[in-house]
Amino acid sequence: GNSVTQMEGPVTLSEEAFLTINCTYTATGYPSLFWYVQYPGEGLQLLLKATKADDKGSNKGFEATYRKETTSFHLEKGSVQVSDSAVYFCALSDLGGRGSTLGRLYFGRGTQLTVWP
Amino acid sequence: DVKVTQSSRYLVKRTGEKVFLECVQDMDHENMFWYRQDPGLGLRLIYFSYDVKMKEKGDIPEGYSVSREKKERFSLILESASTNQTSMYLCASSHTNRDRKETQYFGPGTRLLVL
Repeated sequence: GNSVTQMEGPVTLSEEAFLTINCTYTATGYPSLFWYVQYPGEGLQLLLKATKADDKGSNKGFEATYRKETTSFHLEKGSVQVSDSAVYFCALSDLGGRGSTLGRLYFGRGTQLTVWP
Repeated sequence: DVKVTQSSRYLVKRTGEKVFLECVQDMDHENMFWYRQDPGLGLRLIYFSYDVKMKEKGDIPEGYSVSREKKERFSLILESASTNQTSMYLCASSHTNRDRKETQYFGPGTRLLVL
């Protein structure tokens, strides 16, 4: 079946530190991969996505590369800011299970990032 | 920009009450979703809908029902609220792509407390 595993938090960093949040997936088909971000008190926002192997998604200094050989989609940022403090969710989009033809998202459990000045 | 709105940001209800959570999207999306978010469990799919009057169960449909009478509106109903339904509820919508691997757009969430 489809599932996503991401590193457990919380992750605490100083401003300008390098960030990596690991994400690996299991999929029955050829999924698209996403990172969503949730700022305090808000809903989820799409941060970046990649639709096929070796694609790199990027936005706001964050990057993630779709690695089919390692079934991974790790999120990285070279220099984090206090404003990056949030919960980050890795997700994959594929057909639903049990022969369904409908698309749905499968989420990891989220990683809380706190950046100190 | 896609806009998904939810009727309430915070809601307090009593055990046994019938609760309605409303979600509206303004981008003519075919698909709409209801999730609940709990600490340590991430997001879990309750129900989704791919067309008016159509619905499919997600991973945790027990204790919930849904209604989609108009394309832009998707309602989540707790027939008899219980304390274990205290949670953050998130609505999302998406446009149907040919490969069915759509980006979902989320509302701000409704934090429900059942006493």
